Order: sequence, then C-alpha cells, then structure tokens
Amino acid sequence: DAGVTQSPTHLIKTRGQQVTLRCSPISGHKSVSWYQQVLGQGPQFIFQYYEKEERGRGNFPDRFSARQFPNYSSELNVNALLLGDSALYLCASSLGAGADGKLFFGSGTQLSVL
Amino acid sequence: GDSVTQMEGPVTLSEEAFLTINCTYTATGYPSLFWYVQYPGEGLQLLLKATKADDKGSNKGFEATYRKETTSFHLEKGSVQVSDSAVYFCALSRNSNSGYALNFGKGTSLLVTP
Repeated sequence: DAGVTQSPTHLIKTRGQQVTLRCSPISGHKSVSWYQQVLGQGPQFIFQYYEKEERGRGNFPDRFSARQFPNYSSELNVNALLLGDSALYLCASSLGAGADGKLFFGSGTQLSVL
Repeated sequence: GDSVTQMEGPVTLSEEAFLTINCTYTATGYPSLFWYVQYPGEGLQLLLKATKADDKGSNKGFEATYRKETTSFHLEKGSVQVSDSAVYFCALSRNSNSGYALNFGKGTSLLVTP
C-alpha cells in the first residue's frame, strides 16, 4: 500500500504570494494532520482534520487554512507568504481522530519563500 | 503549556558504541510519550512509544522508559550501527477538545561512524 503522499516536493514562492500544498493519506485513514518543521526545529502542529471537519488548530495565524475532501485527501493553504513561512510542511494520517501516536508521516513539501 | 526538551546534537558515535539521548518533558495530566526518527530524505517514523508511567517502549534495539518521577523518557541503544544515523525526536501527545496533536522536541542528530 502507498504511504502518505505529498505534492509538490519542493516549491519556491515570493513574499505576499499564496501557496497550496496537497496530501493524500494512507488508504482507509480518515484523519489528516499538518505540521510545520523549520530547519533545526521539531515539527509544530498546524491543523488536524477528521471526517472532513477541523478537529484542532495549533498556534498559527489565520493566513493558514486547510480543508479535507470526501476522499480524505487534504490541502493546506497559506496566504500572504512571509519569509518566516519557509519550512518543511509535513502531512500525517491516522485511522482515527485520537491516534495516540500512530501517525504516519509523508516526506513533506519543502517551501522556500524569497 | 506542554513542552519537550531533548539534548542538543549533533551526537557522533563509533559503531557498536552505547547511545543515550536525553529527553525530559513538562505536561499537565498524563501524556503518552514517543520517539520518532527521521532518516535523511524520509518522513518521520514512529520508533517507540509508552503510554503510562514505568512503561518501557522498545523497537529495533532501542528502548525508553516513561519515568514520571523524573519526567523523563531517555532513548538508549546498546550498540549503534551506521544505519542508525538519523535525527531523533522526542514527543508527547495531547488529546483534547483542540484535537489530537504531537508536541515535539527540537531533535537530536546522530551520526554513527564505521
């Protein structure tokens, strides 16, 4: 079975632009979470979606938004990009809403904001 | 709020050496504790977990014991291999009305030399 897939793998944007990142969970997984990993830091929680509804949000500004589709894939949108948004964005899927650590991560999208 | 502190890297060891990576946490309640590993160019993978005090998680020769009295979850391996070179993240879980999220430490880079 395919693991968590994310696209694109790399992306370069300029300040003020908008970006959309995509994630396909493992087949059968209904929860998708997004994390931001700045170089040299651990991943920071952005959102969790379960059954197409937002279940949790981390400490990120409203410029960050996400959604989950009926097939459980997900998109993360970031508006008005700032230099500080440059990071590796990780998507993780799990069977249920409270996976107690059994998150399966994709390889991430590396976003560079110039 | 909840937080995880792990020893700074990089850690460089010779093959077959003993490994310890320290991790301490601050949390309300009784979180589950995890070690994730990130190999070069790959996504995060769950290495081991422990869900309550005195539990010992183990996998691939790695071990960690949930110590409530010292709020620690140190990672150990008796004999490291070159293939263990990776970044190791300690994390705790939070499951609340704000969804399910992992709170990660900053990561410890391990390089094992032949």
